[in-house]
Amino acid sequence: AQKITQTQPGMFVQEKEAVTLDCTYDTSDQSYGLFWYKQPSSGEMIFLIYQGSYDEQNATEGRYSLNFQKARKSANLVISASQLGDSAMYFCAMREGDYNTDKLIFGTGTRLQVFP
Amino acid sequence: GAVVSQHPSRVICKSGTSVKIECRSLDFQATTMFWYRQFPKQSLMLMATSNEGSKATYEQGVEKDKFLINHASLTLSTLTVTSAHPEDSSFYICSANPLERGSYEQYFGPGTRLTVT
Repeated sequence: AQKITQTQPGMFVQEKEAVTLDCTYDTSDQSYGLFWYKQPSSGEMIFLIYQGSYDEQNATEGRYSLNFQKARKSANLVISASQLGDSAMYFCAMREGDYNTDKLIFGTGTRLQVFP
Repeated sequence: GAVVSQHPSRVICKSGTSVKIECRSLDFQATTMFWYRQFPKQSLMLMATSNEGSKATYEQGVEKDKFLINHASLTLSTLTVTSAHPEDSSFYICSANPLERGSYEQYFGPGTRLTVT
């Protein structure tokens, strides 16, 4: 079974609009972490945002926020006020286990395209 | 933030030869580094966990004799693709976390694009 599922292979959004990228996960661990990374065409992995399983509040980082719904096992990324430079691949990832277990499992990614 | 470098950024080699890729943490020490492989238009797949001073831990389906990993110091891990074949052509990315915990973030290198002809 997929540990991380991203059901949107591609998304389009108009500049200045908000967009939500979906991510669901599957784990039996009580302690885990959820990440979102951006990968532009250059290939580098850019960290965007993190949500710990015990964090009660949704994480926010500038224009990025994570809609964490633990009971539904979803961790959707919301990008507000989209910019042309946001066009890239976006990966959701999960770290299972305790804080010192750093192995990440990635979803299949969503290609976001922002148009003027 | 912490910086991880990879060398080379791109390499083209002939089938049957071996290629070494270096991953360095430039401003922190790491007992553990990770090697991922990414095929075109696909996700990152963890290949192995590189442990300083001990043997690497390989994921299921990854041949340890083909993908040799050495983590000789707290700032350097190397991945050697032995007897490379065209199907080994891929984007290889390493990551690391600082030895002194204080961040959950995993720092990625810029990646190495390997093309085997």
